[in-house]
Amino acid sequence: QKEVEQDPGPLSVPEGAIVSLNCTYSNSAFQYFMWYRQYSRKGPELLMYTYSSGNKEDGRFTAQVDKSSKYISLFIRDSQPSDSATYLCAMGPGNTPLVFGKGTRLSVIA
Amino acid sequence: DGGITQSPKYLFRKEGQNVTLSCEQNLNHDAMYWYRQDPGQGLRLIYYSQIVNDFQKGDIAEGYSVSREKKESFPLTVTSAQKNPTAFYLCASSDWTNTEAFFGQGTRLTVV
Repeated sequence: QKEVEQDPGPLSVPEGAIVSLNCTYSNSAFQYFMWYRQYSRKGPELLMYTYSSGNKEDGRFTAQVDKSSKYISLFIRDSQPSDSATYLCAMGPGNTPLVFGKGTRLSVIA
Repeated sequence: DGGITQSPKYLFRKEGQNVTLSCEQNLNHDAMYWYRQDPGQGLRLIYYSQIVNDFQKGDIAEGYSVSREKKESFPLTVTSAQKNPTAFYLCASSDWTNTEAFFGQGTRLTVV
């Protein structure tokens, strides 16, 4: 079993839809959880950072962590064509490099 | 302007040659990382360094070498021993907690 599992998609939604992106993990030592957005041929940019369980909201983005289920989610409200990108989850215990999911490719159609 | 600078953006290498990819950061971060990205593979860790003059192998270190002589710089050499070097290479840095990692814009290496 891989440490971090992420559905690669592709995921295609109409503009204005609510998008749900998810990752599962197996290592109970993971305490820090991140979501990155990567546009084609660019480096990933940090979108959301959460510590431990709970929700965190930033504009149209909400990150959710459920440590009991080892499951994290990123919700995008009112999705826009500019949200079309690959979304990578990343996580770690805090003293070793982050472990990344393979990324989910999202297309938002106008 | 704080950030991570990778150069060059595109690099072409002949088979059998060594090439060095540059990574510089001015974020005063202790930790630096090199990742390789292939289609459908996600990010795979090549090497990382938590402190100057020390570095550790990642999951796919064979055929690569690094140095960390200065806090700001973490160059990656792709040697001729790397059998399939064509890929997108990403450098990142973080503080000592290894949490929020910030990435450069990447170097696309192609073997010709």
